[in-house]
Amino acid sequence: GAGVSQTPSNKVTEKGKYVELRCDPISGHTALYWYRQSLGQGPEFLIYFQGTGAADDSGLPNDRFFAVRPEGSVSTLKIQRTERGDSAVYLCASSQTSGRGNEQFFGPGTRLTVL
Amino acid sequence: QQPVQSPQAVILREGEDAVINCSSSKALYSVHWYRQKHGEAPVFLMILLKGGEQKGHDKISASFNEKKQQSSLYLTASQLSYSGTYFCGTEYGDDKIIFGKGTRLHILP
Repeated sequence: GAGVSQTPSNKVTEKGKYVELRCDPISGHTALYWYRQSLGQGPEFLIYFQGTGAADDSGLPNDRFFAVRPEGSVSTLKIQRTERGDSAVYLCASSQTSGRGNEQFFGPGTRLTVL
Repeated sequence: QQPVQSPQAVILREGEDAVINCSSSKALYSVHWYRQKHGEAPVFLMILLKGGEQKGHDKISASFNEKKQQSSLYLTASQLSYSGTYFCGTEYGDDKIIFGKGTRLHILP
């Protein structure tokens, strides 16, 4: 009965490096969402998956950001050539399925700091 | 498309009531309300759907005016545990939620 888990909880990297952030959704949840939250702001939508496929990636800020969910469960958000502006808390959420009326359960987030 | 929340912040004494508003410039399919405490993940409070259906916690109440594209969250007889930042999220028929900037609520004993 575990909730959504995210690893690592904190990641400090240098500008220009590559990072991977992992999300393990609630078992059986087919929809998975990635958000980015900056200080004092609401979660900003990045991408969501229904099953293995990315149903909507319109929130990814540029082509340095990429996410996968190869087996329809765990997802990895990948950021290439990190920039200081990428520093934020990256939140993952899952729901039983996509569509209106489905509660999203959030993980604790990964705090990314780019030096 | 980001919804606008008001007020930005509110301070209450325990036992007082508060209303948090959320408005959109575009027709809404659903409104989602979450509360986030400092350093923690957002926690689901309520979903209000076009057509009148609602899902959420018994102690939370909210309204959804489809014509005005607005929703309000009502916090009555506030408790210390209600402190946090409240986010409304709007959904426009594309299955993704766009969150507002939040309303910070602080309850004083």
